[in-house]
Amino acid sequence: DAGVIQSPRHEVTEMGQEVTLRCKPISGHNSLFWYRQTMMRGLELLIYFNNNVPIDDSGMPEDRFSAKMPNASFSTLKIQPSEPRDSAVYFCASSWEGTGSYNEQFFGPGTRLTVL
Amino acid sequence: AQRVTQPEKLLSVFKGAPVELKCNYSYSGSPELFWYVQYSRQRLQLLLRHISRESIKGFTADLNKGETSFHLKKPFAQEEDSAMYYCALSGPGRRALTFGSGTRLQVQP
Repeated sequence: DAGVIQSPRHEVTEMGQEVTLRCKPISGHNSLFWYRQTMMRGLELLIYFNNNVPIDDSGMPEDRFSAKMPNASFSTLKIQPSEPRDSAVYFCASSWEGTGSYNEQFFGPGTRLTVL
Repeated sequence: AQRVTQPEKLLSVFKGAPVELKCNYSYSGSPELFWYVQYSRQRLQLLLRHISRESIKGFTADLNKGETSFHLKKPFAQEEDSAMYYCALSGPGRRALTFGSGTRLQVQP
């Protein structure tokens, strides 16, 4: 298993452009998380899906950000329009969540986004 | 609100020296605490969790509810322990992780 797959690995774009980040979770996992890492704020949750349904989107900064999970094997995070302050590393993670205690989240390699 | 604090951005020790990476948290209720590690050019991965009470790669961490701490310890550091370490918590009602700001551990030869 290749683990969580993210694409692209690096993205450089200009302010105002639309950016789409992609994630393929580990097969069989039912939960997917998008995190953002910046120098100022560290690693923070953007949105969390369970069984393809958004459960917690309290970390989504504003209307410019949107995330979808059309099926169990694919998710996108879109920024439109992008701004320089969106520059960060975006991580996708997946896990199997059932009732009871926490299960390990497996992280992708991240997408480094630079908005000029 | 839940919060995780790692007071040290960088911890530099010599090989063979003891290591303690500090982590304090605030949470209403009973959280689950974790340490994640990111080695150079590798993905963020789980190192250990308080529930399992196990030692991984010689590291241990004890949850102290009175002091709301979950410090990571190793008696004798190795050069391969050099990495970025993140303390994180999760709660029964929220599966997503809340991370601390991370501590970079440098183990010098």
